[in-house]
Amino acid sequence: KAGVTQTPRYLIKTRGQQVTLSCSPISGHRSVSWYQQTPGQGLQFLFEYFSETQRNKGNFPGRFSGRQFSNSRSEMNVSTLELGDSALYLCASSLVGTANTDTQYFGPGTRLTVL
Amino acid sequence: GQNIDQPTEMTATEGAIVQINCTYQTSGFNGLFWYQQHAGEAPTFLSYNVLDGLEEKGRFSSFLSRSKGYSYLLLKELQMKDSASYLCAVYPNDYKLSFGAGTTVTVRA
Repeated sequence: KAGVTQTPRYLIKTRGQQVTLSCSPISGHRSVSWYQQTPGQGLQFLFEYFSETQRNKGNFPGRFSGRQFSNSRSEMNVSTLELGDSALYLCASSLVGTANTDTQYFGPGTRLTVL
Repeated sequence: GQNIDQPTEMTATEGAIVQINCTYQTSGFNGLFWYQQHAGEAPTFLSYNVLDGLEEKGRFSSFLSRSKGYSYLLLKELQMKDSASYLCAVYPNDYKLSFGAGTTVTVRA
């Protein structure tokens, strides 16, 4: 069974631009969660989508948004990029999601650099 | 906020045993995970504990004490490929999986 895939793997943007990251979950998994990983803050929860609905949200500004499609694929958008948004963005999928304390399986991540 | 503490770094010799401790203070508890993350790669699932006690999976074991807010991951018969960061993560009552900063384990020959 194929794992979680994320595209692109690397991105370089400048301040003020916006970016869209994509995540395809493991086949059959309906929940997709997004995380930001930085050396200073570690892994932080951004949000979770299940059946095309945002089910949970972390403490990030509204510039961070996401959506999920009917095939469970998910996209994350960051608008008006800031230098501090430079991070590894990880997507994780699970069968039924965090409300069931389901195990999450991570993708390889997208490394975003904001200049 | 949630508070999850792990040591920053540990070093051990090939073939030895290393124990990585994790203490947590969270708003409720609904399970604890251990993940392994090699540099530049995705975290991979190692273990899940929700009840007190020891879970064993080959060379890796994980222990949980809910009353003490404490867990450890035990790595036996260390191999060079075990050099990685080990992340402790807890599901609190809001179900936003919270991670510790990670413990970097270096295995030396």
